[in-house]
Amino acid sequence: GQSLEQPSEVTAVEGAIVQINCTYQTSGFYGLSWYQQHDGGAPTFLSYNALDGLEETGRFSSFLSRSDSYGYLLLQELQMKDSASYFCAVRDRGNFNKFYFGSGTKLNVKP
Amino acid sequence: EAGVTQFPSHSVIEKGQTVTLRCDPISGHDNLYWYRRVMGKEIKFLLHFVKESKQDESGMPNNRFLAERTGGTYSTLKVQPAELEDSGVYFCASSRDGYEQFFGPGTRLTVL
Repeated sequence: GQSLEQPSEVTAVEGAIVQINCTYQTSGFYGLSWYQQHDGGAPTFLSYNALDGLEETGRFSSFLSRSDSYGYLLLQELQMKDSASYFCAVRDRGNFNKFYFGSGTKLNVKP
Repeated sequence: EAGVTQFPSHSVIEKGQTVTLRCDPISGHDNLYWYRRVMGKEIKFLLHFVKESKQDESGMPNNRFLAERTGGTYSTLKVQPAELEDSGVYFCASSRDGYEQFFGPGTRLTVL
């Protein structure tokens, strides 16, 4: 099975940088994804790391280290609209199309 | 391109009643997934369709849950009879290639 852990809540100020960590215990997986969900909205895809290392997409970057069973999402130049929940997810090695999600990290951005 | 839609957005029912949730995926997406999130917990996988075929239903809680995708287009998830622990937000997602999933806004189910 798979188990993912994320901090439940993080608070940061506008303009700052914040890192949301995701540690996992897994019997094997293909890659690590990140999703953003605003209150009452649909989770939306942010990034996918198939390989170790850093993937950058604008203000957001995602990192994966399989040897450390660890990944993170880095948000730079925080904006108020970044206040949302962020979920990490792994895709199962046994079923390529099966994803396991973490419990989500609620990010509060303050002025 | 229209996104994934779900109906209803909210449903409040009594224990023992039946509820049917509907999901319309993005046109052309063969992969369709159902997930559930119970308050504050993880988004939990329920099952996965490829077109009209169930590929993996290992996450379905028990036989009170029945999912169908007739014709490989929209999907329904029926809960019969509903229990208190079935309360939560039910998400549907679709994907063309399985890498990026497009989620619907969810159906918030409350069982009283």
